Amino acid sequence: ETGVTQTPRHLVMGMTNKKSLKCEQHLGHNAMYWYKQSAKKPLELMFVYNFKEQTENNSVPSRFSPECPNSSHLFLHLHTLQPEDSALYLCASSQDQVELLFNNEQFFGPGTRLTVL
Amino acid sequence: AQKVTQAQTEISVVEKEDVTLDCVYETRDTTYYLFWYKQPPSGELVFLIRRNSFDEQNEISGRYSWNFQKSTSSFNFTITASQVVDSAVYFCALRYWGDFNKFYFGSGTKLNVKP
Repeated sequence: ETGVTQTPRHLVMGMTNKKSLKCEQHLGHNAMYWYKQSAKKPLELMFVYNFKEQTENNSVPSRFSPECPNSSHLFLHLHTLQPEDSALYLCASSQDQVELLFNNEQFFGPGTRLTVL
Repeated sequence: AQKVTQAQTEISVVEKEDVTLDCVYETRDTTYYLFWYKQPPSGELVFLIRRNSFDEQNEISGRYSWNFQKSTSSFNFTITASQVVDSAVYFCALRYWGDFNKFYFGSGTKLNVKP
């Protein structure tokens, strides 16, 4: 496997379900990100992890819970979601996140299309 | 305040036409980076180019070219002789020294290239 992979690619869940999204990067990067992409809205940054430590939480509701066990894996745990949470969830990684070395681009996974009923 | 503005929500052209996608950014930092990404219907954002704030040289890569003008805070993207495969949503993004944890994305421009 190369690049950034995300599973599952599609997920349908009820509001009372608990599910998790998984992201894995095979690029040796040290920073990972979760984004939410809703229809007709800009990409919304949710969380940033740098060397497994969370460095950004962009006012995300607590029903979204990230986990970064190591620099290669990132999870997004979901519980009691709302229909408005239906969106494409994108994971990305980049090499830097250290001062003076913030020039690198992000590499994105294919996303998980989430539908909340 | 929005840091990256892509005023064109959707553009439709006929194959072989040239098309320019606009991007205007806002930052007070003198050190920053600008990016363009392509998002085809499959969903995955694909990196196209990075430009740092100290390099105003325009760049050409095949049918793609980028015009970076600090005087107008713009980083426009031109596709020459467009093809149907260019149909996608294109995003401009900004990353700057004062908030380097984040990439600020524009709202995207959907390009439809018709045969």
